[in-house]
Formats: sequence, structure tokens, C-alpha cells
Amino acid sequence: DAGITQSPRYKITETGRQVTLMCHQTWSHSYMFWYRQDLGHGLRLIYYSAAADITDKGEVPDGYVVSRSKTENFPLTLESATRSQTSVYFCASRGPNNEKLFFGSGTQLSVL
Amino acid sequence: KQEVTQIPAALSVPEGENLVLNCSFTDSAIYNLQWFRQDPGKGLTSLLLIQSSQREQTSGRLNASLDKSSGRSTLYIAASQPGDSATYLCAVKGEETSGSRLTFGEGTQLTVNP
Repeated sequence: DAGITQSPRYKITETGRQVTLMCHQTWSHSYMFWYRQDLGHGLRLIYYSAAADITDKGEVPDGYVVSRSKTENFPLTLESATRSQTSVYFCASRGPNNEKLFFGSGTQLSVL
Repeated sequence: KQEVTQIPAALSVPEGENLVLNCSFTDSAIYNLQWFRQDPGKGLTSLLLIQSSQREQTSGRLNASLDKSSGRSTLYIAASQPGDSATYLCAVKGEETSGSRLTFGEGTQLTVNP
């Protein structure tokens, strides 16, 4: 299906485990983003990518790793999950000349 | 550091009412402002995008205005319907030439009662 998809939809893990959240878009958008949404903080940018093999830190990058070997995929890895990383994670994308952002449906992550 | 505030945090209105949602930002050096809608358990959907040089944008029953100098934007919803019930967020992008950061407000949760 066309669009931007995230997986898994829900994830429960334990502290210290590595977790990877997947994001896939079918538009060949150059820009992709990872946000986390928390009560009291709103949406905060974790990492973004302007193109394949180009990534940059956002507002809250600590504890996260990203890669972008292909334009359509932008996985987010929590190297050693902590309880403070319990959140809803959203992936988003946009084209190079269009500021309108398209969001995935989110991944609800719980770290126990 | 840019800060975006949306007041009120929640709003409940009867069906058919016209309403205004407010968004204010502290740094007027913005590139654009975007209004989003978020339904429970879902991602955000972009509703309207206003460039810094524009005063307003319209889409159907929605009208967004921008007063850059005063650091304010409003989203006007005409003839509200129960299907408009959702959280509405605004986000601003700074004028910096590098980076793509949006600063989001925490949203206004709108309930339209039949």
C-alpha cells in the first residue's frame, strides 16, 4: 500500500534490551523524521534524514541510533532501552520541495 | 529557543458552532507554520501550511491565519461537526537555512457534541 507505515504498532520490552522500530515510505520522499510524543512535552524530534546516508540529530537524540541505507526506510534503534524511552514514536516524511509532513500511525513502546 | 503554546488545552462545543483555536510562538523568525489534526491512537494529518509571507490559508471549512509579527496563528473551523473532534496541533519551522526542525505545540483537544 502507498504511504508511510510503521512497525510494530505496539512493543513491550525490558530495560537494557535493544529495540528497532521500522519506518517505510513509498513516495520516495527525501526527508524522513523520527518524533516521540509524550504528555507534557508534545512532539519532539529525535533524528532526521535529508537523503539516503545523510542523518542528523534532533532535539532528543541520546540513546537512539538511526540509519538510512535506502531512501524508503528509516529504522530507529534504541541500543539499550530505558524506562524514560517509554513513549509513542512517530515517523514522518516529506518531499524536498514540499513542507507538508506525512506521518505514520505510530509505535507505542513500553519499557518495563 | 522557540516555544509554541496552544490555548485552551481542551474545548467542547455544540455541533454547528464556529470556533477558533489559538497558537502562539515566541520567536517571530519563522519559515512557515503548519496545523495538524490527530485522532486518538493515530498519527498526525497536515491540514494547512502557511508560509511566512502569507496571511492565511483556507481548505473547506478550515481557515488558518498567521500574524508573524505578533507571534500568533488561529485556526477557524466553520459549522463544526462531531467528525471534527480530534486534537489540533500547530507547529512552526524556524528561518534557519539548515535543518528541518519543527517545534510543536501540545495541542487543543476539541470535542464537538451532537
